[in-house]
Amino acid sequence: SQTIHQWPATLVQPVGSPLSLECTVEGTSNPNLYWYRQAAGRGLQLLFYSVGIGQISSEVPQNLSASRPQDRQFILSSKKLLLSDSGFYLCAWSGGLDYEQYFGPGTRLTVT
Amino acid sequence: QKEVEQNSGPLSVPEGAIASLNCTYSDRGSQSFFWYRQYSGKSPELIMFIYSNGDKEDGRFTAQLNKASQYVSLLIRDSQPSDSATYLCAVITSGTYKYIFGTGTRLKVLA
Repeated sequence: SQTIHQWPATLVQPVGSPLSLECTVEGTSNPNLYWYRQAAGRGLQLLFYSVGIGQISSEVPQNLSASRPQDRQFILSSKKLLLSDSGFYLCAWSGGLDYEQYFGPGTRLTVT
Repeated sequence: QKEVEQNSGPLSVPEGAIASLNCTYSDRGSQSFFWYRQYSGKSPELIMFIYSNGDKEDGRFTAQLNKASQYVSLLIRDSQPSDSATYLCAVITSGTYKYIFGTGTRLKVLA
């Protein structure tokens, strides 16, 4: 069965510091991968998605970037965090015949 | 702008009742429809998906799709306090890889 991992689970970072969040998927090959952000009490905002290694589509112009160095690895980065980057970051994968999308456990980021 | 609309709630139902959650979508090209449950502080969990008009049942959950009316709903029978959560509706359009999410309906099941 497929499993999706995210780390770290929680993170507190000062404004202006860099960020690296990692997501890996097990049990499937060539998944579509996604990064979402959910601000407190808000809906899901799609940040990036990837349909293959090195293929990244950005949905929101901001100070975040994403990379997919391996088939089942997706990384979210920032060179300098802003207060507005605080939120719950969710990685997800899809690839089943019915287009189901499954989420990882998430990383709660607080920028201070 | 493709949109998915949900009533934010909270929707309060007594234990044992049927909870009815509704979702409308704007893109007629939408192909597949998903319901997620999200407990406070946790990530969304996929509970149902549907892509054909009509009803799809899984245990206490029934998803209903009406493409002509661009309407999808989720019924929860015999609601339990553990069903209290936010329910997210999502759609995907044929030929795209992007899922459009509603903002969710908060359900409260009262014991």
